[in-house]
Amino acid sequence: GQQLNQSPQSMFIQEGEDVSMNCTSSSIFNTWLWYKQEPGEGPVLLIALYKAGELTSNGRLTAQFGITRKDSFLNISASIPSDVGIYFCAGQLPNNNDMRFGAGTRLTVKP
Amino acid sequence: DAGVTQSPTHLIKTRGQQVTLRCSPKSGHDTVSWYQQALGQGPQFIFQYYEEEERQRGNFPDRFSGHQFPNYSSELNVNALLLGDSALYLCASSTDLGETQYFGPGTRLLVL
Repeated sequence: GQQLNQSPQSMFIQEGEDVSMNCTSSSIFNTWLWYKQEPGEGPVLLIALYKAGELTSNGRLTAQFGITRKDSFLNISASIPSDVGIYFCAGQLPNNNDMRFGAGTRLTVKP
Repeated sequence: DAGVTQSPTHLIKTRGQQVTLRCSPKSGHDTVSWYQQALGQGPQFIFQYYEEEERQRGNFPDRFSGHQFPNYSSELNVNALLLGDSALYLCASSTDLGETQYFGPGTRLLVL
């Protein structure tokens, strides 16, 4: 199956620092998505990317869809304590109904 | 505008039992997907329902079955529960093929 490799597994950063995480795949995806999940809740969509090379921002979050369509990164600028959570990348195949998820990046922000 | 809702929030069952989980999609959505999320892992696709039929299925055994009702709500049934079925079960809804999916809060199932 199409596996997504997400890194790093976890990050411990100081409030105010920038964060970068990425996902790679051996397969091509039509859509890349980034979700955040907090304890006891379902994943919440942060950013959706639909075109190769696309760079999209949502407040302090910026994500890019790699040119090869096999990778994506998510950057968070000036982190704050409420950024704590697990961030998942997900890829969706063309005309396919399931999404493949990475294993997640656990972010801890120290005040 | 109500988002995706799921019930129950938590459930405890014993091995061999059967369980039914329920999901109501976000208003305006007609497609429901189910995912299993084991502790410390990303969600894994179980299946998707559209127009009351299973449209696609992931790598899960036949013990996992589902149903979609005319109002687009959905049920996930798991028979002959195993300890390894303990997980967070997530429902996600969308408008059509390939559209972005929105997740509910999940049902946490513990099998003892």
